[in-house]
Amino acid sequence: EDQVTQSPEALRLQEGESSSLNCSYTVSGLRGLFWYRQDPGKGPEFLFTLYSAGEEKEKERLKATLTKKESFLHITAPKPEDSATYLCAVHGPYNTDKLIFGTGTRLQVFP
Amino acid sequence: EPEVTQTPSHQVTQMGQEVILRCVPISNHLYFYWYRQILGQKVEFLVSFYNNEISEKSEIFDDQFSVERPDGSNFTLKIRSTKLEDSAMYFCASSPIDQPQHFGDGTRLSIL
Repeated sequence: EDQVTQSPEALRLQEGESSSLNCSYTVSGLRGLFWYRQDPGKGPEFLFTLYSAGEEKEKERLKATLTKKESFLHITAPKPEDSATYLCAVHGPYNTDKLIFGTGTRLQVFP
Repeated sequence: EPEVTQTPSHQVTQMGQEVILRCVPISNHLYFYWYRQILGQKVEFLVSFYNNEISEKSEIFDDQFSVERPDGSNFTLKIRSTKLEDSAMYFCASSPIDQPQHFGDGTRLSIL
């Protein structure tokens, strides 16, 4: 069964304290791994798409990487405004565009 | 930047009633989706819609649910005979071909 598992469930960081979030996946024929940010009461906001092992994408303090079994979202020198839930999702197997989501990592960054 | 808009933001309905959740996808997108998120749980796929027909639906999307694109801009999810367990956030998403899905801010559905 196709699955996405994220860890940790929650992460508390001091401002400036870098860390990484993990997303491990099992899917038949990966056609894309997606990172989204979700603020309370809001919908998921698209951050990155990764398609193949070794690929990396960066945006401000965030950097996403992909291996054959997992993806990492690295947060460098986070600020309080980076506090949110970060969701990882993969496309379902061939011939489907549905996204399969993990449960997310709730990140809190304290000043 | 164009965005997906959903109305209402919050809907309260008595059990057994019908509700219609509305979405305006991004204008040049061709694929439309509904997802739901029960409080504290994962975002779950419900249905995808392309070229005026359902392209895929999940086990959750049974005869109680239906989708429609009544005109060139709106995309609706109808839930008939609502149950307590239908209480959730419902998210609409849209995408161009082979591009990431963009989500609206959701409708919080509360069934009493």
